[in-house]
Amino acid sequence: RKEVEQDPGPFNVPEGATVAFNCTYSNSASQSFFWYRQDCRKEPKLLMSVYSSGNEDGRFTAQLNRASQYISLLIRDSKLSDSATYLCVVNRGSWGKLQFGAGTQVVVTP
Amino acid sequence: GAVVSQHPSWVICKSGTSVKIECRSLDFQATTMFWYRQFPKQSLMLMATSNEGSKATYEQGVEKDKFLINHASLTLSTLTVTSAHPEDSSFYICSAGGQGRKDTEAFFGQGTRLTVV
Repeated sequence: RKEVEQDPGPFNVPEGATVAFNCTYSNSASQSFFWYRQDCRKEPKLLMSVYSSGNEDGRFTAQLNRASQYISLLIRDSKLSDSATYLCVVNRGSWGKLQFGAGTQVVVTP
Repeated sequence: GAVVSQHPSWVICKSGTSVKIECRSLDFQATTMFWYRQFPKQSLMLMATSNEGSKATYEQGVEKDKFLINHASLTLSTLTVTSAHPEDSSFYICSAGGQGRKDTEAFFGQGTRLTVV
């Protein structure tokens, strides 16, 4: 079983709609959780950290469920520029040593 | 955010040759650097952890004699793919952390797309 698993998608989303997707992780000792965004052939960029209480950053809302070991990302009012691959990332315990999911592709259409 | 510069951004080389990729932290001292590899439609896979002034720690299944890592200074780590073969074609990317940086922060280089022909 992979340490971090994601639905690869693609999620085809009309502009202005809401899309949500999850990621599961296998290491119950994982401490830190993140969503990164990766555009085609580019380096990943931090979208947001995920906190136990859930957190929001503009149109993006992240949730963490430690009991079920999953993380979610919700994007409201989707923009064309939101089209990208969203990577679920878990800190493996060692400082800076991150475990990446394979990514969920989101395609926002006009 | 911190700036990590990776060079070259892309390279095409002949099978059997070696390729060196550089990762530089431009505005902070990177005590630790991580090297990842990403095949198409797959996740970034950690190859090795590089600590300044010491030997790199390789992940299981990564050949240390094929992927040579040098982290001789606090601002530079290099990855050399020795005797490259077509199956080594991939996207290689580094990330860096340093003194005073939170463990939540992973600053990535721009990545290097290696094509071995």
